[in-house]
Amino acid sequence: AQSVAQPEDQVNVAEGNPLTVKCTYSVSGNPYLFWYVQYPNRGLQFLLKYITGDNLVKGSYGFEAEFNKSQTSFHLKKPSALVSDSALYFCAVRDGNNDMRFGAGTRLTVKP
Amino acid sequence: DTEVTQTPKHLVMGMTNKKSLKCEQHMGHRAMYWYKQKAKKPPELMFVYSYEKLSINESVPSRFSPECPNSSLLNLHLHALQPEDSALYLCASSQVKGAGANVLTFGAGSRLTVL
Repeated sequence: AQSVAQPEDQVNVAEGNPLTVKCTYSVSGNPYLFWYVQYPNRGLQFLLKYITGDNLVKGSYGFEAEFNKSQTSFHLKKPSALVSDSALYFCAVRDGNNDMRFGAGTRLTVKP
Repeated sequence: DTEVTQTPKHLVMGMTNKKSLKCEQHMGHRAMYWYKQKAKKPPELMFVYSYEKLSINESVPSRFSPECPNSSLLNLHLHALQPEDSALYLCASSQVKGAGANVLTFGAGSRLTVL
C-alpha cells in the first residue's frame, strides 16, 4: 500500500531562517506526492506536487520540495521562513485507487 | 469560482438527531470527497464520488449516509451519531482525469459536536 511518513510532530524555526519539513514515502511504482497546508479551523490548501519531471518542485507561497528517489524522500523547504507560515503541514500520496492518503502532519512554528 | 463551500460551519447535535452536512462546488469537478479529521490528526477518507456515483466507501458506519444529488452538490446525512463522531468534516473536489485529478480543493470544513 502507498503511504507517507512525517517523522517530526513539531518543527520550530526563527523567522528569516530556512525551514525543512520532512516526508518519506513508501510506494509501488511511480509516486504521486503532494504537500498541503492547514491553517487553524480551515480546510487543507494545496502547496505543490510531484508527478514526473524535475526533482525540485516549486509551489505556492515560496515553498519548494525535493524529490529524492534513492532516499525515498520528499522534503518541503523554504529559504526564508515567515511567521505567517506557522501552520500544520501534511505530506500526501495518491494511491492506486486515486485516493489521497495523508501523513500524520507536522506542526510548523515560526518565531519572530 | 475556485471554492468549495461547506455548510454549516458548526453543528451541535444530540445522539438521536438527524442532520445533514452540505458541500457545493462550481469548478466543474466530477470527483467529490468526504474526509473526517479529528484534532491534531490527518484527514481520513470516508467516501468518494466519481461522476455522481459512489466509488469508495472506506468502511464507514451506516449512521453516515452520503448523497450526491448532482455534479455540484455533496451531502452527508447524519443519524444516531456517537460522541466519538465529533470531528471536523472536510469536503473536497477534484477533476477525475488528467493533471487536475491530482489536486484536491478542500472546503473549510464543518465542525461537528455530538452530545
